[in-house]
Amino acid sequence: AQSVTQLDSQVPVFEEAPVELRCNYSSSVSVYLFWYVQYPNQGLQLLLKYLSGSTLVKGINGFEAEFNKSQTSFHLRKPSVHISDTAEYFCAVSVNNQGGKLIFGQGTELSVKP
Amino acid sequence: DTAVSQTPKYLVTQMGNDKSIKCEQNLGHDTMYWYKQDSKKFLKIMFSYNNKELIINETVPNRFSPKSPDKAHLNLHINSLELGDSAVYFCASSQGWAGDSPLHFGNGTRLTVT
Repeated sequence: AQSVTQLDSQVPVFEEAPVELRCNYSSSVSVYLFWYVQYPNQGLQLLLKYLSGSTLVKGINGFEAEFNKSQTSFHLRKPSVHISDTAEYFCAVSVNNQGGKLIFGQGTELSVKP
Repeated sequence: DTAVSQTPKYLVTQMGNDKSIKCEQNLGHDTMYWYKQDSKKFLKIMFSYNNKELIINETVPNRFSPKSPDKAHLNLHINSLELGDSAVYFCASSQGWAGDSPLHFGNGTRLTVT
């Protein structure tokens, strides 16, 4: 079975500071990895995904993430955050041919302060 | 045009009632899902359908019955509502169900059972 752990439930940062949201996963088989963002009272939007190939993936809104197979991690980073990045961020994994099921982490609330 | 739309956005009802949530996607996707987000924002899959066929039923009580009249629609009917059913329910869709296709989410239906 697969599982996802997001190591920080809340991350407060000041505007224009860098941020890293941590995600570790557990799986005995290869996985696909995703980061989603949820703004208040909205659904989830895809930020970026790792399927294969280059371990550094770039997404929307200046976010990027690095897949580290040996550490089973997929941390999300942004070099300079904006107030508008305040949201809940979810790391998720899926496994090939399991019906497209996404297994989510518990979420990290990013709060950007002026 | 909204890609994945759910109705209603809010649903307040009493214990024991029966209610339905509707979902439609205009992305031409083959696979649709229902996810439940609890009060701690944890997301868990309930069902997935591919071309109107059920492919995932994630040990959900049989009071929950999904129905897919065509591949663009996936409705959720809930019988005999209980307090513990209070949550936000998200519909989503993806192209294929191999696990490598990102999900597109609706904006959610906030169900409150009193």
